[in-house]
Amino acid sequence: KQEVTQIPAALSVPEGENLVLNCSFTDSAIYNLQWFRQDPGKGLTSLLLIQSSQREQTSGRLNASLDKSSGRSTLYIAASQPGDSATYLCAVIGSNYKLTFGKGTLLTVNP
Amino acid sequence: GAVVSQHPSWVICKSGTSVKIECRSLDFQATTMFWYRQFPKQSLMLMATSNEGSKATYEQGVEKDKFLINHASLTLSTLTVTSAHPEDSSFYICSAGGVSGTGVYNEQFFGPGTRLTVL
Repeated sequence: KQEVTQIPAALSVPEGENLVLNCSFTDSAIYNLQWFRQDPGKGLTSLLLIQSSQREQTSGRLNASLDKSSGRSTLYIAASQPGDSATYLCAVIGSNYKLTFGKGTLLTVNP
Repeated sequence: GAVVSQHPSWVICKSGTSVKIECRSLDFQATTMFWYRQFPKQSLMLMATSNEGSKATYEQGVEKDKFLINHASLTLSTLTVTSAHPEDSSFYICSAGGVSGTGVYNEQFFGPGTRLTVL
Protein backbone atom coordinates (compact mmCIF):
# COMPACT_ATOMS: atom_id res chain seq x y z
CA LYS A 1 0.00 0.00 0.00
CA GLN A 2 1.37 3.38 -1.02
CA GLU A 3 2.12 5.80 1.79
CA VAL A 4 3.04 9.44 1.32
CA THR A 5 4.77 11.43 4.03
CA GLN A 6 5.34 15.15 4.09
CA ILE A 7 7.86 16.93 6.24
CA PRO A 8 7.58 19.31 7.99
CA ALA A 9 3.94 19.28 9.03
CA ALA A 10 4.07 23.02 9.55
CA LEU A 11 6.52 25.75 8.64
CA SER A 12 6.63 29.44 9.48
CA VAL A 13 9.07 31.71 7.67
CA PRO A 14 9.64 35.43 7.18
CA GLU A 15 8.76 36.98 3.86
CA GLY A 16 11.46 36.69 1.22
CA GLU A 17 12.95 33.45 2.46
CA ASN A 18 13.57 30.51 0.16
CA LEU A 19 12.14 27.25 1.46
CA VAL A 20 11.91 23.55 0.71
CA LEU A 21 9.02 21.21 1.37
CA ASN A 22 9.69 17.49 1.40
CA CYS A 23 7.61 14.54 0.26
CA SER A 24 8.47 10.86 0.38
CA PHE A 25 6.58 7.83 -0.87
CA THR A 26 7.03 4.13 -0.19
CA ASP A 27 6.22 2.58 -3.57
CA SER A 28 8.37 3.90 -6.40
CA ALA A 29 6.06 2.44 -9.08
CA ILE A 30 4.31 5.72 -9.79
CA TYR A 31 3.07 7.33 -12.99
CA ASN A 32 3.47 10.87 -11.80
CA LEU A 33 3.61 13.12 -8.76
CA GLN A 34 1.67 16.28 -8.21
CA TRP A 35 2.01 19.19 -5.83
CA PHE A 36 -1.15 21.03 -4.84
CA ARG A 37 -2.00 24.08 -2.86
CA GLN A 38 -5.06 24.21 -0.63
CA ASP A 39 -6.33 27.36 1.03
CA PRO A 40 -8.47 26.98 4.17
CA GLY A 41 -11.91 25.59 3.36
CA LYS A 42 -11.16 25.54 -0.34
CA GLY A 43 -10.46 22.98 -3.02
CA LEU A 44 -7.14 22.07 -4.54
CA THR A 45 -5.04 24.11 -6.92
CA SER A 46 -2.57 22.08 -8.94
CA LEU A 47 0.87 23.65 -8.84
CA LEU A 48 3.16 21.25 -10.62
CA LEU A 49 2.92 17.78 -12.11
CA ILE A 50 6.03 15.71 -12.68
CA GLN A 51 5.76 12.66 -14.87
CA SER A 52 7.69 9.60 -13.76
CA SER A 53 10.21 10.06 -16.59
CA GLN A 54 10.99 13.62 -15.53
CA ARG A 55 13.25 14.87 -12.78
CA GLU A 56 11.87 18.33 -12.24
CA GLN A 57 9.31 20.91 -13.23
CA THR A 58 9.35 24.66 -12.79
CA SER A 59 6.62 27.26 -12.70
CA GLY A 60 7.51 30.80 -11.72
CA ARG A 61 8.97 30.77 -8.22
CA LEU A 62 8.19 27.09 -7.77
CA ASN A 63 10.44 24.20 -8.62
CA ALA A 64 9.59 20.58 -7.93
CA SER A 65 12.03 17.72 -8.20
CA LEU A 66 11.44 14.00 -8.33
CA ASP A 67 13.80 11.18 -7.44
CA LYS A 68 11.64 8.20 -8.21
CA SER A 69 14.18 5.55 -7.24
CA SER A 70 14.57 6.93 -3.74
CA GLY A 71 10.89 7.81 -3.40
CA ARG A 72 11.39 11.51 -2.80
CA SER A 73 10.20 14.83 -4.10
CA THR A 74 10.87 18.37 -3.02
CA LEU A 75 9.02 21.58 -3.67
CA TYR A 76 11.23 24.64 -3.64
CA ILE A 77 9.61 28.04 -3.20
CA ALA A 78 11.80 31.03 -3.95
CA ALA A 79 11.38 34.46 -2.40
CA SER A 80 8.33 33.49 -0.38
CA GLN A 81 5.44 35.93 -0.04
CA PRO A 82 2.56 36.17 2.46
CA GLY A 83 0.23 35.09 -0.35
CA ASP A 84 2.04 31.77 -0.45
CA SER A 85 0.57 30.90 2.94
CA ALA A 86 -1.49 27.74 2.49
CA THR A 87 -1.33 23.99 2.93
CA TYR A 88 0.81 22.26 0.33
CA LEU A 89 -0.12 18.71 -0.56
CA CYS A 90 1.98 16.14 -2.33
CA ALA A 91 0.23 13.29 -4.15
CA VAL A 92 1.39 10.36 -6.25
CA ILE A 93 -0.52 8.49 -8.90
CA GLY A 94 0.01 4.76 -9.09
CA SER A 95 -1.89 2.07 -10.89
CA ASN A 96 -5.60 2.55 -11.66
CA TYR A 97 -5.18 6.35 -11.70
CA LYS A 98 -5.41 6.44 -7.89
CA LEU A 99 -3.94 9.43 -6.14
CA THR A 100 -2.46 8.99 -2.69
CA PHE A 101 -2.04 12.18 -0.74
CA GLY A 102 0.28 13.18 2.04
CA LYS A 103 -1.09 15.05 5.05
CA GLY A 104 0.36 18.30 3.81
CA THR A 105 2.65 21.04 5.05
CA LEU A 106 0.99 24.10 6.50
CA LEU A 107 3.06 27.07 5.37
CA THR A 108 2.84 30.49 6.97
CA VAL A 109 4.81 33.35 5.45
CA ASN A 110 5.01 36.30 7.79
CA PRO A 111 5.19 39.85 6.43
CA GLY B 1 -6.15 23.55 -17.54
CA ALA B 2 -9.34 21.55 -17.53
CA VAL B 3 -12.21 22.78 -15.38
CA VAL B 4 -14.21 20.67 -12.97
CA SER B 5 -17.21 22.07 -11.14
CA GLN B 6 -19.10 20.85 -8.12
CA HIS B 7 -22.58 21.67 -6.96
CA PRO B 8 -23.55 22.63 -4.38
CA SER B 9 -20.53 24.30 -2.84
CA TRP B 10 -22.01 23.86 0.60
CA VAL B 11 -25.04 22.18 2.09
CA ILE B 12 -26.57 21.92 5.53
CA CYS B 13 -29.10 19.20 6.17
CA LYS B 14 -30.90 17.43 8.96
CA SER B 15 -29.82 14.03 10.14
CA GLY B 16 -31.50 11.26 8.18
CA THR B 17 -31.87 13.12 4.91
CA SER B 18 -30.06 12.32 1.67
CA VAL B 19 -27.80 14.76 -0.11
CA LYS B 20 -26.69 14.66 -3.74
CA ILE B 21 -23.47 16.27 -4.90
CA GLU B 22 -22.72 16.77 -8.58
CA CYS B 23 -19.33 16.80 -10.22
CA ARG B 24 -18.98 17.99 -13.81
CA SER B 25 -16.08 18.19 -16.19
CA LEU B 26 -16.78 21.33 -18.19
CA ASP B 27 -14.39 21.21 -21.10
CA PHE B 28 -13.22 17.65 -21.42
CA GLN B 29 -14.55 14.13 -21.25
CA ALA B 30 -13.65 12.37 -18.05
CA THR B 31 -13.34 8.64 -18.43
CA THR B 32 -12.74 8.29 -14.72
CA MET B 33 -13.95 10.33 -11.79
CA PHE B 34 -12.91 10.09 -8.18
CA TRP B 35 -14.54 11.09 -4.93
CA TYR B 36 -12.51 12.15 -1.92
CA ARG B 37 -13.39 13.11 1.62
CA GLN B 38 -11.42 15.42 3.83
CA PHE B 39 -11.97 15.81 7.55
CA PRO B 40 -10.67 18.90 9.37
CA LYS B 41 -6.89 19.08 9.42
CA GLN B 42 -6.63 15.77 7.60
CA SER B 43 -5.58 15.00 4.08
CA LEU B 44 -7.80 13.82 1.28
CA MET B 45 -8.87 10.22 1.44
CA LEU B 46 -10.09 8.47 -1.67
CA MET B 47 -13.60 7.12 -1.23
CA ALA B 48 -14.34 5.61 -4.61
CA THR B 49 -13.42 5.47 -8.26
CA SER B 50 -16.06 5.57 -10.94
CA ASN B 51 -15.78 4.86 -14.62
CA GLU B 52 -18.42 6.04 -17.01
CA GLY B 53 -21.12 3.44 -17.50
CA SER B 54 -19.91 1.01 -14.89
CA LYS B 55 -20.20 0.48 -11.16
CA ALA B 56 -18.00 2.43 -8.82
CA THR B 57 -15.12 0.81 -6.99
CA TYR B 58 -15.10 1.69 -3.32
CA GLU B 59 -12.09 1.89 -1.05
CA GLN B 60 -11.90 -0.29 2.00
CA GLY B 61 -14.06 0.98 4.81
CA VAL B 62 -16.37 3.07 2.61
CA GLU B 63 -19.98 1.89 2.65
CA LYS B 64 -21.21 1.60 -0.90
CA ASP B 65 -24.86 1.57 0.18
CA LYS B 66 -24.40 4.81 2.06
CA PHE B 67 -22.38 6.65 -0.56
CA LEU B 68 -24.09 6.06 -3.89
CA ILE B 69 -22.11 7.02 -6.94
CA ASN B 70 -23.47 7.38 -10.44
CA HIS B 71 -21.32 8.19 -13.46
CA ALA B 72 -23.90 8.27 -16.20
CA SER B 73 -21.95 10.32 -18.71
CA LEU B 74 -18.42 11.37 -19.53
CA THR B 75 -19.03 14.78 -17.98
CA LEU B 76 -21.11 14.06 -14.89
CA SER B 77 -20.74 12.01 -11.75
CA THR B 78 -22.95 12.26 -8.68
CA LEU B 79 -22.36 11.27 -5.07
CA THR B 80 -25.42 10.75 -2.90
CA VAL B 81 -24.94 10.56 0.84
CA THR B 82 -27.93 8.56 1.99
CA SER B 83 -29.44 8.96 5.45
CA ALA B 84 -26.74 11.41 6.40
CA HIS B 85 -25.59 11.64 10.00
CA PRO B 86 -23.41 14.21 11.79
CA GLU B 87 -20.34 12.00 11.40
CA ASP B 88 -20.74 12.34 7.62
CA SER B 89 -20.07 16.06 7.91
CA SER B 90 -16.97 16.64 5.85
CA PHE B 91 -15.49 18.30 2.79
CA TYR B 92 -16.18 16.23 -0.32
CA ILE B 93 -14.01 16.78 -3.38
CA CYS B 94 -14.26 15.17 -6.78
CA SER B 95 -11.67 14.87 -9.47
CA ALA B 96 -11.86 13.93 -13.11
CA GLY B 97 -9.14 12.13 -14.99
CA GLY B 98 -8.18 11.10 -18.45
CA VAL B 99 -5.75 12.55 -20.90
CA SER B 100 -5.38 16.26 -20.34
CA GLY B 101 -5.25 18.91 -23.02
CA THR B 102 -1.49 18.93 -22.69
CA GLY B 103 -1.39 15.22 -23.34
CA VAL B 104 -0.37 14.24 -19.85
CA TYR B 105 -1.60 10.80 -19.06
CA ASN B 106 -3.36 10.23 -15.79
CA GLU B 107 -3.57 13.85 -14.74
CA GLN B 108 -6.52 14.59 -12.50
CA PHE B 109 -8.38 17.85 -12.22
CA PHE B 110 -10.15 18.73 -9.02
CA GLY B 111 -13.44 20.38 -8.30
CA PRO B 112 -13.72 23.15 -5.70
CA GLY B 113 -15.28 20.86 -3.11
CA THR B 114 -18.59 20.65 -1.27
CA ARG B 115 -18.86 21.35 2.43
CA LEU B 116 -21.50 19.08 3.98
CA THR B 117 -22.79 19.80 7.46
CA VAL B 118 -25.29 17.38 8.95
CA LEU B 119 -27.16 18.69 11.99
